Amino acid sequence: DSGVTQTPKHLITATGQRVTLRCSPRSGDLSVYWYQQSLDQGLQFLIQYYNGEERAKGNILERFSAQQFPDLHSELNLSSLELGDSALYFCASSVDSGTFYEQYFGPGTRLTVT
Amino acid sequence: AQTVTQSQPEMSVQEAETVTLSCTYDTSESDYYLFWYKQPPSRQMILVIRQEAYKQQNATENRFSVNFQKAAKSFSLKISDSQLGDAAMYFCAYRRQGNLIFGKGTKLSVKP
Repeated sequence: DSGVTQTPKHLITATGQRVTLRCSPRSGDLSVYWYQQSLDQGLQFLIQYYNGEERAKGNILERFSAQQFPDLHSELNLSSLELGDSALYFCASSVDSGTFYEQYFGPGTRLTVT
Repeated sequence: AQTVTQSQPEMSVQEAETVTLSCTYDTSESDYYLFWYKQPPSRQMILVIRQEAYKQQNATENRFSVNFQKAAKSFSLKISDSQLGDAAMYFCAYRRQGNLIFGKGTKLSVKP
């Protein structure tokens, strides 16, 4: 158990819908990262937050957004869902955002868009 | 942009034998970290081993060791005395700033 929690574990929804994925980082970790794992794109970095502020953006679609709240939990919002958004979404956390600090991964949320 | 390449989509090893998974990367930076992650069927991402680029000594964690060749930008993972529980997807990853950049992965099967 990495100490990072993600809810829900599974999510099935229809095209065009909007969903919210939630992540609680390890106690004391200020940085949260979101990754998407799909069959065709592999594991890709989406976005990073550090202590409530957006720190870095990767291959995140405009239909996707995220935020980190004062209690440091983070939410990833996916809207106007398409079949291709079906994937495993991971959250990872670290103490800080520097290269040295290890990222701990949550168990992931499996999103299925039908 | 940095890239990570794993040229072996699938590998197979006999139980108790040794297997080496390959990884190459491209970067113009001199200071970075490299990682191997294991993803078993449970889908959990588990850190296996990490290597700091400034360290010449290859990292070792029990049965897992790496062969880090900085000039060649190569970072292979050796698994000794393979066990059935080693069967999983293995991802090589690079980290310079915050986020990780992953390779496509190698699926390792272990035959009893």
